[in-house]
Amino acid sequence: GAVVSQHPSWVICKSGTSVKIECRSLDFQATTMFWYRQFPKQSLMLMATSNEGSKATYEQGVEKDKFLINHASLTLSTLTVTSAHPEDSSFYICSARMGGMNTEAFFGQGTRLTVV
Amino acid sequence: AQRVTQPEKLLSVFKGAPVELKCNYSYSGSPELFWYVQYSRQRLQLLLRHISRESIKGFTADLNKGETSFHLKKPFAQEEDSAMYYCAGGKLIFGQGTELSVKP
Repeated sequence: GAVVSQHPSWVICKSGTSVKIECRSLDFQATTMFWYRQFPKQSLMLMATSNEGSKATYEQGVEKDKFLINHASLTLSTLTVTSAHPEDSSFYICSARMGGMNTEAFFGQGTRLTVV
Repeated sequence: AQRVTQPEKLLSVFKGAPVELKCNYSYSGSPELFWYVQYSRQRLQLLLRHISRESIKGFTADLNKGETSFHLKKPFAQEEDSAMYYCAGGKLIFGQGTELSVKP
């Protein structure tokens, strides 16, 4: 099956710094990529949806200036958490799909971000 | 706004018992609905989608537009079915998830 890879799998950063998380579709071209945040023992919360070459669409309540999403190619999307604070510590998951809304989305393994 | 609701946080059954994991949706237009599963220490993976009308690992889900539901069913649960199950719809908005625990 199709593979989506996130890098890094975990990262620790200091408050006030920025951290970038990469999401790559390894063997398919992803027309749409999704970014989620997952709190402990909770479900996935959709942060934003991005289509290659266009600006990401953010969900209500998600700060676009804080969570910068770039989808520069059909195989790569990045999420940059700017000026990170401890409350940004979370598990971030990306997914990607190659077709329309009825097609399967493939998920990355997730990135554990800890801000100290 | 699109919304997907899974009312049960945990469902515990014995091996061989029938299973039904509930999912309700609320949004206008034709719904695109999925069930995703996450086994322990693995990433999320698609279990089935309403448009395919397929049966995967013995699971089926029928879209009921009148009740706005997409419940997941399996007649005889197996221990290896123990996992987190997520219903998702539309632009991949997820329900709260239901943990299925199948006891021997």
